[in-house]
Amino acid sequence: QQPVQSPQAVILREGEDAVINCSSSKALYSVHWYRQKHGEAPVFLMILLKGGEQKGHDKISASFNEKKQQSSLYLTASQLSYSGTYFCGTERDRDDKIIFGKGTRLHILP
Amino acid sequence: EAQVTQNPRYLITVTGKKLTVTCSQNMNHEYMSWYRQDPGLGLRQIYYSMNVEVTDKGDVPEGYKVSRKEKRNFPLILESPSPNQTSLYFCASSLSTSSYEQYFGPGTRLTVT
Repeated sequence: QQPVQSPQAVILREGEDAVINCSSSKALYSVHWYRQKHGEAPVFLMILLKGGEQKGHDKISASFNEKKQQSSLYLTASQLSYSGTYFCGTERDRDDKIIFGKGTRLHILP
Repeated sequence: EAQVTQNPRYLITVTGKKLTVTCSQNMNHEYMSWYRQDPGLGLRQIYYSMNVEVTDKGDVPEGYKVSRKEKRNFPLILESPSPNQTSLYFCASSLSTSSYEQYFGPGTRLTVT
């Protein structure tokens, strides 16, 4: 079942923070986050495995609450380069297929 | 350079004319998969392969075939394309299983008239 992402779209000014949520009705083994710029292929951001870990690099981080089957992606002090569509992908078991959400469009204004 | 390549990048064809979209990776990855991307629907998995000669259906396999005879190649075959298969297609690969970072190819934009 496809995970639900929210919001569908968000517009921010440079320097503002954003949170993108991903939720599933089923128990999850892992959550994957990718960013896709217009006309390009998706690019990997991070994977979170069950265990409630939090990951991050630079000003982009994510958390995974396996009890709630939810993950959140945090973009701090957003930069123009953060613009794009963010996808979460969920995996119910190890070696299972990944099911991606419909994406969240993020637009950063100068 | 580590990469996933797809060919062709753009294709316009007619209903019923068999076509193959090739996908090749040079990273010795075991796991490969095909997705289609349509506006508002996100990335939907068509087929995936855990290793050579091992393939399995994703969420939208109808109308598609795949094969994995070599580790590096994972072609997508449309035996009788229809207009509802007009889409942007991505091939992806990862080191092992789906629990690793996936590297996506540049995409193939297919139009079936």
